[in-house]
Amino acid sequence: KQEVTQIPAALSVPEGENLVLNCSFTDSAIYNLQWFRQDPGKGLTSLLLIQSSQREQTSGRLNASLDKSSGRSTLYIAASQPGDSATYLCAVNNNFNKFYFGSGTKLNVKP
Amino acid sequence: DGGITQSPKYLFRKEGQNVTLSCEQNLNHDAMYWYRQDPGQGLRLIYYSQIVNDFQKGDIAEGYSVSREKKESFPLTVTSAQKNPTAFYLCASSTWTQSSYNEQFFGPGTRLTVL
Repeated sequence: KQEVTQIPAALSVPEGENLVLNCSFTDSAIYNLQWFRQDPGKGLTSLLLIQSSQREQTSGRLNASLDKSSGRSTLYIAASQPGDSATYLCAVNNNFNKFYFGSGTKLNVKP
Repeated sequence: DGGITQSPKYLFRKEGQNVTLSCEQNLNHDAMYWYRQDPGQGLRLIYYSQIVNDFQKGDIAEGYSVSREKKESFPLTVTSAQKNPTAFYLCASSTWTQSSYNEQFFGPGTRLTVL
């Protein structure tokens, strides 16, 4: 069964820092990997989708990379802002169309 | 405006009661999912449905039931057999093709509390 791990579990940084969130998965037979943002008490908002044939995707200050062979993805956030404070989750979509989620990284960006 | 709606936002259940959580989508997606989220944990799959009138158990289906009579709707019933139902419940949908374009979209969630 696919196992997805996110490190660190929590991260606190001062405003303006660049930061990296990590996601690792055990089974490389995936169709894609998705990064989500979750605010307290809310649903998940999709940030980026990386297809298995892609190496990275960018949206504004966010850049996600995928190394399928090593089972890793990173989410890079440039010039962090207090509004980026949230929990970030990654999910992998395997070849049976099921999605497996990590436990998330809780990010706090201090003004 | 396409999306997924869940109702109610908050739900309180007494011991021994069954309660039903609503999920509706207008994204024309074939697949729908129910997840449970506990504090500090990732999402765990309860049930999923690939097509109308068909659904499959996920990793933690005991004490839950679902139906899929319409493409747009996938209600979840939390039965009295579920021992610890207090949690945040999330509904999601996606296309159902074996494709790298499959992207999952989520509703706003329902917080269920047992009194």
